[in-house]
Amino acid sequence: AQSVTQPDIHITVSEGASLELRCNYSYGATPYLFWYVQSPGQGLQLLLKYFSGDTLVQGIKGFEAEFKRSQSSFNLRKPSVHWSDAAEYFCAVGGRSNYQLIWGAGTKLIIKP
Amino acid sequence: DTAVSQTPKYLVTQMGNDKSIKCEQNLGHDTMYWYKQDSKKFLKIMFSYNNKELIINETVPNRFSPKSPDKAHLNLHINSLELGDSAVYFCASSQGQGTGFQPQHFGDGTRLSIL
Repeated sequence: AQSVTQPDIHITVSEGASLELRCNYSYGATPYLFWYVQSPGQGLQLLLKYFSGDTLVQGIKGFEAEFKRSQSSFNLRKPSVHWSDAAEYFCAVGGRSNYQLIWGAGTKLIIKP
Repeated sequence: DTAVSQTPKYLVTQMGNDKSIKCEQNLGHDTMYWYKQDSKKFLKIMFSYNNKELIINETVPNRFSPKSPDKAHLNLHINSLELGDSAVYFCASSQGQGTGFQPQHFGDGTRLSIL
């Protein structure tokens, strides 16, 4: 079955601390992987994507993610979070010829001052 | 310029009414989507159109009817609104042809509240 698991419903980190959000997927074909961010009251914005090539991808706002095929994971990282990073983060997977994305349930990031 | 725009942003209405939400994209994409996001932030795909053809039609009540007059527009009409329809509805678009799966671009959402 195709699925995306974000094990953490919410994560709290202090401003300036590092961050890692976990994403595990199950997908029968070559995965195309995405991280989106949803700020309160806003739509979803693409942070980064992985299609092929270098398994460490850089995104906007200082985020990066690493694709690990052996672990079926695509974890999102940021070395130092800012208060403005407080938001809901969604991981998603799709396939080359498939219009439909499989979405994780989201992880809410809370920033402590 | 807003890439994917939805109207209205807020919609408050009575149970039993019929309402429509409009979506337009100016990105030149050929595929558009409707999602429903519930109070727990879970995203559920409802419909997708590619070049005005319905390609994703998930299990949703037939009170929901999408309409795509052209590639740049995908509207959602809802008949006989029920309390459970209260949610945020997102429109999205992507370029579905070409070199593979392309990211979806989202509108800001329509917050539907049923009284």
